[in-house]
Amino acid sequence: DAKTTQPNSMESNEEEPVHLPCNHSTISGTDYIHWYRQLPSQGPEYVIHGLTSNVNNRMASLAIAEDRKSSTLILHRATLRDAAVYYCILRDVGTGNQFYFGTGTSLTVIP
Amino acid sequence: DAGITQSPRHKVTETGTPVTLRCHQTENHRYMYWYRQDPGHGLRLIHYSYGVKDTDKGEVSDGYSVSRSKTEDFLLTLESATSSQTSVYFCAISESRDGTSTDTQYFGPGTRLTVL
Repeated sequence: DAKTTQPNSMESNEEEPVHLPCNHSTISGTDYIHWYRQLPSQGPEYVIHGLTSNVNNRMASLAIAEDRKSSTLILHRATLRDAAVYYCILRDVGTGNQFYFGTGTSLTVIP
Repeated sequence: DAGITQSPRHKVTETGTPVTLRCHQTENHRYMYWYRQDPGHGLRLIHYSYGVKDTDKGEVSDGYSVSRSKTEDFLLTLESATSSQTSVYFCAISESRDGTSTDTQYFGPGTRLTVL
């Protein structure tokens, strides 16, 4: 099963953009890229997902490399409430592969 | 917010006792999941269900059993709790498992279980 690699931790100043990277060099053509985040003492929550094209929603943007071997979650203006662990996950269409959350990236937002 | 509740929210029990955790949803989603979260391991799938009475094992299923007699309820049972099962348990639901937008998982608030 294709897995992802993320940095263990990152820091950002409040109100500045944050780019959270994810490597998935063994991604298959049918794998969707999903991002979730987990705020302290809460369950994970969905952030965004995509297949090939860049995606935007009210929470974030997802930039997917042309070869799809990496992607970047972009928070345009980090707030203190964005401090969380961010997980990059691959989902395979059709086979219903398990969600492998890994250990994610712990984002610290500095006031 | 998706209607997912977990009960109990906190439980302390002793080694060797049976424990049942309940997940209840009001969204009528087909798929339900049980995860455990431990420091250094992220979330790991224990079991999941793809319909009433239809369940399958996940990555860390040993020592756990599940049941789903109604669409809205998914029970996780530890037949004989051990200290290694001390963890935070999360339930999740989704409409599909195909990677698309309906594959979004919605998580409950979690149950903190301590086995002494």
